[in-house]
Amino acid sequence: NAGVMQNPRHLVRRRGQEARLRCSPMKGHSHVYWYRQLPEEGLKFMVYLQKENIIDESGMPKERFSAEFPKEGPSILRIQQVVRGDSAAYFCASSPEVGGSNQPQHFGDGTRLSIL
Amino acid sequence: DQQVKQNSPSLSVQEGRISILNCDYTNSMFDYFLWYKKYPAEGPTFLISISSIKDKNEDGRFTVFLNKSAKHLSLHIVPSQPGDSAVYFCAASEGSGNTGKLIFGQGTTLQVKP
Repeated sequence: NAGVMQNPRHLVRRRGQEARLRCSPMKGHSHVYWYRQLPEEGLKFMVYLQKENIIDESGMPKERFSAEFPKEGPSILRIQQVVRGDSAAYFCASSPEVGGSNQPQHFGDGTRLSIL
Repeated sequence: DQQVKQNSPSLSVQEGRISILNCDYTNSMFDYFLWYKKYPAEGPTFLISISSIKDKNEDGRFTVFLNKSAKHLSLHIVPSQPGDSAVYFCAASEGSGNTGKLIFGQGTTLQVKP
């Protein structure tokens, strides 16, 4: 029973490039969440998706960031024209379809994004 | 605006003794609370949760207490073991009817000394 899988584990980009982070939820989970952790801080919610739908993107920066969770394949968090301030650990979490609320979210090991 | 606060950045405890980690929140709409444990370079691991209809939930060495009137929860670990050394995050959500997004505290680093 594989857990939440994120790749790559580490990603290095130069300023102005694009970063794509991928997340495959646990088997049987159709709710996906993305969080960002800056150094010495807690995790901050970014976006919540179900298959083919963005449910809550209240934590997403207005520009350069987008997320999708297609019918087939992993969820993708995309950051265009990266800047130094985007350097952080990005975590994906998933939860089951049934009773999506009041169910614990299970996290992947994250992608550590470094911007040169 | 920090809705979930963990005011102790670190805690050191002797092996075998009790560890008590504290968390305060400000949003009275929160009705589901969770504790996660995190090792370096890994993702948070779910430990235990509690719904606002309860004031205590226990799972092995871990017990979470919720005081709704004080908007305070705590995690008790007894007996503490060296393997418990990690960063502990408390998180909250508005539960039923919402999107389920979690609001995290800043974390408390627990060190359990042998």
